[in-house]
Amino acid sequence: DTEVTQTPKHLVMGMTNKKSLKCEQHMGHRAMYWYKQKAKKPPELMFVYSYEKLSINESVPSRFSPECPNSSLLNLHLHALQPEDSALYLCASSQDEQGSNYGYTFGSGTRLTVV
Amino acid sequence: GQNIDQPTEMTATEGAIVQINCTYQTSGFNGLFWYQQHAGEAPTFLSYNVLDGLEEKGRFSSFLSRSKGYSYLLLKELQMKDSASYLCAVRDWDNYGQNFVFGPGTRLSVLP
Repeated sequence: DTEVTQTPKHLVMGMTNKKSLKCEQHMGHRAMYWYKQKAKKPPELMFVYSYEKLSINESVPSRFSPECPNSSLLNLHLHALQPEDSALYLCASSQDEQGSNYGYTFGSGTRLTVV
Repeated sequence: GQNIDQPTEMTATEGAIVQINCTYQTSGFNGLFWYQQHAGEAPTFLSYNVLDGLEEKGRFSSFLSRSKGYSYLLLKELQMKDSASYLCAVRDWDNYGQNFVFGPGTRLSVLP
């Protein structure tokens, strides 16, 4: 299995809703990442988990809450989002935080719309 | 941190060759990656350079000059399906650990 799987693929939520994005990989990678990508912009790093511990939080608002239940799973809990949070949310993984010759493997993303 | 620059848009003709440039400024350089991203899809890995020189992989080649802070991605025998954004990403180390940052991306349009 050489994939990163993200669910759901599309999500529409109200500003008072609570939802979660899920990411799963079975490549034995020990580092996992959340990126946010707006249209026609490059992905921007949000969080890094290394060996199931949060190692980087790029000053992301608390309405985004990551969770790493085990080495294969990464969640992003969403609460009280704003319309400007609408974006493509990408999950990625790598062998470890030092990376490898292949950089990161990305999931296909969750297209989030906040109404 | 890094400062990465790429042309915003490029246009080329089917069957032609196109070169997409990437310049960067960073300390603790530890590799440069090229990714392809079709609209609404995830970035997919194309190439990796950490030493100076040319890496060839089928129709795609990537070049790196560390002293100049410069890389390019060369696409040969262009096909319509090559229309996509091409992202240069730099990995480096600083006092806080590893960084992996994408450049702004180059949107390539391949015309018949």
